[in-house]
Amino acid sequence: AQSVTQLGSHVSVSEGALVLLRCNYSSSVPPYLFWYVQYPNQGLQLLLKYTSAATLVKGINGFEAEFKKSETSFHLTKPSAHMSDAAEYFCAVSAGAAGNKLTFGGGTRVLVKP
Amino acid sequence: GAVVSQHPSRVICKSGTSVKIECRSLDFQATTMFWYRQFPKKSLMLMATSNEGSKATYEQGVEKDKFLINHASLTLSTLTVTSAHPEDSSFYICSAIQRLETQYFGPGTRLLVL
Repeated sequence: AQSVTQLGSHVSVSEGALVLLRCNYSSSVPPYLFWYVQYPNQGLQLLLKYTSAATLVKGINGFEAEFKKSETSFHLTKPSAHMSDAAEYFCAVSAGAAGNKLTFGGGTRVLVKP
Repeated sequence: GAVVSQHPSRVICKSGTSVKIECRSLDFQATTMFWYRQFPKKSLMLMATSNEGSKATYEQGVEKDKFLINHASLTLSTLTVTSAHPEDSSFYICSAIQRLETQYFGPGTRLLVL
């Protein structure tokens, strides 16, 4: 079984500041990990994914995440926040090669202050 | 590539009627599609997994007779909410698998039952 915990349901950052969204997971098998972004009244857009290759994963819009097995974490970062980064972010885990059902975290809403 | 569409984007219906939501993979063939439900300010809840040419697999607690899923082709899955009631009002999102590990999401359908 898999589970995901996103620390902080809301994060407020200033434009130009570092964005850090925390995600911890548990999985009984080697996991695949994903970050998705959701803008209001829209579906989810894939930001990046980890599928057992490089542990530092680069995604779209300047985001990246690092898989740390020892910490069971997959935190999402962006060096400099932009106003357009204001959205809801979801971390998700699947059972890797053993299955493709996603389990989502509770989501983190990012507010970017000018 | 990997575009998923949903139709309609929003629908209002009277209590007791049925509503059909379509999910299409526009530029790839999807052997598996998923249906999610999202409550306001909440994460996504997986309702069912839809495989082309076979019966859908429902998650625990989801009424299969109320939420009918048909995956008639490699590019189309439909969700029919039968005898809808106000508590069925929600945001319904589908996703489709292109490669083994990555789900691509549709833009969602907002259902309001009066």
